[in-house]
Amino acid sequence: QKEVEQNSGPLSVPEGAIASLNCTYSDRVSQSFFWYRQYSGKSPELIMSIYSNGDKEDGRFTAQLNKASQYVSLLIRDSQPSDSATYLCAVNRGNYQLIWGAGTKLIIKP
Amino acid sequence: DGGITQSPKYLFRKEGQNVTLSCEQNLNHDAMYWYRQDPGQGLRLIYYSQIVNDFQKGDIAEGYSVSREKKESFPLTVTSAQKNPTAFYLCASSMEGNQPQHFGDGTRLSIL
Repeated sequence: QKEVEQNSGPLSVPEGAIASLNCTYSDRVSQSFFWYRQYSGKSPELIMSIYSNGDKEDGRFTAQLNKASQYVSLLIRDSQPSDSATYLCAVNRGNYQLIWGAGTKLIIKP
Repeated sequence: DGGITQSPKYLFRKEGQNVTLSCEQNLNHDAMYWYRQDPGQGLRLIYYSQIVNDFQKGDIAEGYSVSREKKESFPLTVTSAQKNPTAFYLCASSMEGNQPQHFGDGTRLSIL
């Protein structure tokens, strides 16, 4: 079992709809969780950080964390074509090391 | 503006050659990291450094070396022992281990 798992996609969502991206992790002691967006050929860009159970909202983005079930999700409301990218989930082990999922490719259809 | 600068953007390596990738940050971050990304895959940690003059191996350190003589700089050398160096190399930094990492624009390394 991979330490951080994401559905590779592609996930295709109509413009204006809600995109839902999921990530599960195996290490129960993980303390911090991050979502990054990576456009093709570019470096990852931080979208959201979440540290405690529940929801965290920032503009059109909402991160949800459930430590008991060991999953973290990212919701993108009112999806735009510019949201088309690969979304990477990263989980902190607590020792300066992030464990990365392979990413989910999101396609927003105009 | 604060940020992380990686150079060069593109680099070509000949057989038996060592090459050095530069990474400089002016964010005053203590921790710096080097990752390798292959097509369609996630990031794999090569080396990281928590403070000046100290660094630790990541998951794929073989064939690579680093130094951390200054807080702002964390160069990566890809040695001739790394037989498959073609990849996208990313440098990142963070204030502390539990804080988000911020990335430079990356260096693409290819074999001539």
